This record gives sequence, C-alpha cells and structure tokens, in this order.
Amino acid sequence: DTAVSQTPKYLVTQMGNDKSIKCEQNLGHDTMYWYKQDSKKFLKIMFSYNNKELIINETVPNRFSPKSPDKAHLNLHINSLELGDSAVYFCASTPGLPDTQYFGPGTRLTVL
Amino acid sequence: GENVEQHPSTLSVQEGDSAVIKCTYSDSASNYFPWYKQELGKRPQLIIDIRSNVGEKKDQRIAVTLNKTAKHFSLHITETQPEDSAVYFCAALGAGGGADGLTFGKGTHLIIQP
Repeated sequence: DTAVSQTPKYLVTQMGNDKSIKCEQNLGHDTMYWYKQDSKKFLKIMFSYNNKELIINETVPNRFSPKSPDKAHLNLHINSLELGDSAVYFCASTPGLPDTQYFGPGTRLTVL
Repeated sequence: GENVEQHPSTLSVQEGDSAVIKCTYSDSASNYFPWYKQELGKRPQLIIDIRSNVGEKKDQRIAVTLNKTAKHFSLHITETQPEDSAVYFCAALGAGGGADGLTFGKGTHLIIQP
C-alpha cells in the first residue's frame, strides 16, 4: 500500500551509460516531481508534471528527461551519465496547490 | 525565483530542552511553508506545515511560526527526545503553485544529547 514508490532503490553504473528510474504513485495525485539530493544533502527540484504536461524544467542538463506514460507514473531517463550525476533522486507527488508533497523512498545513483 | 536560507546548519541540544530552527525566504508571493524531517537513508517526511494566512500552528511538541512581513518562519520542538535526531528541512512554495516545486533550505542537523 506504498503511496509513492520508486525502483530501483540502488543503481550503480558506469559513466556514459543510459539509465532510467521509475516512479509510481497510487494516491490519485495530479502533480508529480523529481528532486535531486546531492552529497551535501541539498534538495533541489528538477522537474514537475501535471496531468502529463511538463510544467517546469529547471537548469537541468538535457541528458535528463522525464516521461509520464500516465497520471500515476513519472519516470526519469538519464543519458550519457556523468560522475556528477551521483546523488539520491526522489520522486514526489501532491494532490493540490498548495498542499503536502509526499516523497518516494529515493533512488541512490552511483556513477563510476 | 525563490531562495530559502536556513540556520543553523547543526544544532545540538540536551534531551528535554527545546530546539529552534529558523528560515527566511525571498519571494513575498510564497504561500505554503512545510517542514520535513529526514532520517539517515530515508525519505523526507512532512512533520508540520503552515499556510500564509496563518501565523502559528502547533502539533503536540512541534510548532511553526510565520512572519510574512519579515519573510521568516521557524520550527520549534519542545521536550526533545532522542528520536528527534535527524536532518530538518524547511521549504517554501511559490504562489505559482506546484509548478515551481518546493524550494528547500540547506537543512539543519539536529543532535539530541542524552
């Protein structure tokens, strides 16, 4: 009955590879987000999606692309991974504006 | 865009004492201010939030105050317990709504000394 889930929990890969992280929420929320938490624990918004429409795109490299096959899913695709991409990536969702954002368990990405 | 400053970065208090964490924000149009607690290796968990039409909110040992004029808000934890040890983040949501996502402070590592 997990509200916001992510897979995988851990992802270790080589520089230059392409990888995806999946996110699903079963709360019926309209808006979903991706956040990046770096090694200093700083949390920063990357993307948000509202009803399958990309609303914002922060200063994120275009190697990162969110894809939403339906309202309950927001997946993150990363091409040509770099060392600096190593971080914990959190998916989140919210029912309304403004309202509580519920976070997924996070995916720890390590690029070697 | 919104900028959120959080102080202190580390706070050590004796068990049973109170802890106060302060944040300032830059966008006067921001209207929602949540506080998250993050334990090591876990996801951020909402502990309390406040909207811009309210000055203070309390939930048992936790309270949040908001001063819109000064653009700052604070988290107060009373009667601290060992399980309160964690990293706490303040955040602000712009009036543009969820489209902007949350802007987080850099976190406060709260240490409860037994």
